[in-house]
Parts: sequence; structure tokens; C-alpha cells
Amino acid sequence: DQQVKQNSPSLSVQEGRISILNCDYTNSMFDYFLWYKKYPAEGPTFLISISSIKDKNEDGRFTVFLNKSAKHLSLHIVPSQPGDSAVYFCAARGNTGKLIFGQGTTLQVKP
Amino acid sequence: NAGVTQTPKFQVLKTGQSMTLQCAQDMNHEYMSWYRQDPGMGLRLIHYSVGAGITDQGEVPNGYNVSRSTTEDFPLRLLSAAPSQTSVYFCASSYGRAYTEAFFGQGTRLTVV
Repeated sequence: DQQVKQNSPSLSVQEGRISILNCDYTNSMFDYFLWYKKYPAEGPTFLISISSIKDKNEDGRFTVFLNKSAKHLSLHIVPSQPGDSAVYFCAARGNTGKLIFGQGTTLQVKP
Repeated sequence: NAGVTQTPKFQVLKTGQSMTLQCAQDMNHEYMSWYRQDPGMGLRLIHYSVGAGITDQGEVPNGYNVSRSTTEDFPLRLLSAAPSQTSVYFCASSYGRAYTEAFFGQGTRLTVV
């Protein structure tokens, strides 16, 4: 039973355009959501997070939106750059503190 | 500052062999965890620890054992390796429940033949 789902395995966008990565979750008890970025042969690195009491958090080119009623969050990257090409994982924190990850979305930004 | 260090980076095992994947962090983090990454499955939590002497199961704990005798170290033991355990394993640490950002190691690529 996948509690955190990223239904798009891949996404391709043009440099300079917006990238939108989506994530759905099923557990309404999740209280914190995070996005991680992963390059090949490296460990994931933290990108941005949002508390369940907020609906938006922005950090430079990266913005995360949370829609609690729909149990949906999204990551917007504007403008997209070739260096953003990576696998993006969304994660949710449960009441015991453990992080549950989605399947990942591979983003390709074309020059 | 080393962060989270995993050893070895690569390992090939024969079915039935046992081994220990090492994980060490130098950030005095309370919270440590082990994940495996498989194609199409994302990162799945194997075991985690909220402090020395305390461990608990994650989503896919079967076939794995952990212990946490010190704050710094969190080894993952494969008791009797199976081909289904072929995966990339990541260790992560964080300050604790109040801090959500987890720091990951570089990963261990394990192949069981």
C-alpha cells in the first residue's frame, strides 16, 4: 500500500520553462512534506519542505504547494535549468518521525 | 566534515551469505535510517532508530537486522542474502523528529547472485 505516490515516472521540459512535479498521499496524519533531489551514483539531497499547516513555501527557483483537502503537493521549478535534471522524490513524515518516500520522477531539462 | 559515510560502495554476494553494511555519521544526529532503492519503487524504509539502543521496523524489514549501540553507527545486517535483496542501499541521519531534513550517504550497490 503506497502511502506516497508520484504517478509520473518522467518529465521533460525546455530550459527556461516551468517544471511541475506532482505527489499524492493517502495518510492525513502526515505533518511534514519534503522534496529531495538525486543525481546518479549519489545519495538524495534535501531540496525544500513544507509543514502541513502551510500551503506554500518558496526558496529561490523552487516552490512547493500543498493542497491538504486533495492530499496533493507539487514542486514548481522556475525557470528550469539543465542542472536541474535529476530524480526528484517527495517524502512525507509520519507521526513516528519516519519518512515515507514516493517512487520518484526523473526530470530532464533540455537546453 | 564527513557527514554520513557508508561502506562498502559496491558488494557482490552469493545467495545465502551474510554481510554487514556499515553506516557512520559525525553530526551527532539522533535519528538514523536505512532505505533501499529499487527501480519503480522509490526509496523504501527498512529499519530506523530514534537514538542509541532504540530501533524499529520500517516498510520492508524482512531479511535485515539492525542495532544501534552508539549514536554514530547504525549497521545493517543481511542474515542470509537472497537475489531479491539486490538493490542500492542508503543510510540517512537527521537531528530528530523536530528536524526533518535527512542527510544521506552515497549508497551501497549490492548484488546477490
